[in-house]
Amino acid sequence: QVQLQESGPGLVRPSETLSLTCTVSGGSISPYYWSWIRQSAGKGLEWIGRIYSSGSTNYNPSLMSRVTLSLDTSKNQFSLKLTSVTAADTAVYYCARDGADSGNYVYWGQGALVIVSS
Amino acid sequence: QSVLTQPPSASGTPGQRVTISCSGSSSNIGGNYVFWYQQLPGTAPKLLIYRNNQRPSGVPDRFSGSKSGTSASLAISGLRSEDEADYYCATWDDSLSRPVFGGGTKLTVL
Repeated sequence: QVQLQESGPGLVRPSETLSLTCTVSGGSISPYYWSWIRQSAGKGLEWIGRIYSSGSTNYNPSLMSRVTLSLDTSKNQFSLKLTSVTAADTAVYYCARDGADSGNYVYWGQGALVIVSS
Repeated sequence: QSVLTQPPSASGTPGQRVTISCSGSSSNIGGNYVFWYQQLPGTAPKLLIYRNNQRPSGVPDRFSGSKSGTSASLAISGLRSEDEADYYCATWDDSLSRPVFGGGTKLTVL
């Protein structure tokens, strides 16, 4: 059974960089798309971006200038970096595996709450 | 506000049938598959319906999905207390070039 687990700091200061890693167990990174999705009280579920096992990426245009996704196949991990964070970036961040169709996420991590505050 | 429109709340009594709507446009629901997710308090969303009306293994047949034009619906029959959760619709948006979600519907079992 595929399992995903997010890890990273739960508190980030404004203007700094949010960094999260998702570790995949019970299956391989290849050949799938892996997404980051966040959920805040004010904006519901928001897709941040995805990375394919080859390293190619797609980003939400509204976040593209601040987001970088990467992966480490040797560790079965993929990561999210979000720069210049503000309080509006406070959310629960989920990693998920994409299914055959866009919008289809069968496997999710448990979520990581990240609070942006000084 | 969300690209897909859902009612913020819905309710029903045990055994009843409840439907949750999801309204979009030709650039999203109108031309793409719709997915439904159930989110219990404090947990990650769980895929409930894929490709408009298909149930993943393990999802009871009390849950069904449908799509017509630029709208979709999730129906829950034989409502049970454990169905109390938030429900989200999702699809791809061709204009925005990204997946989009509804704002979510909080289902209360009275």
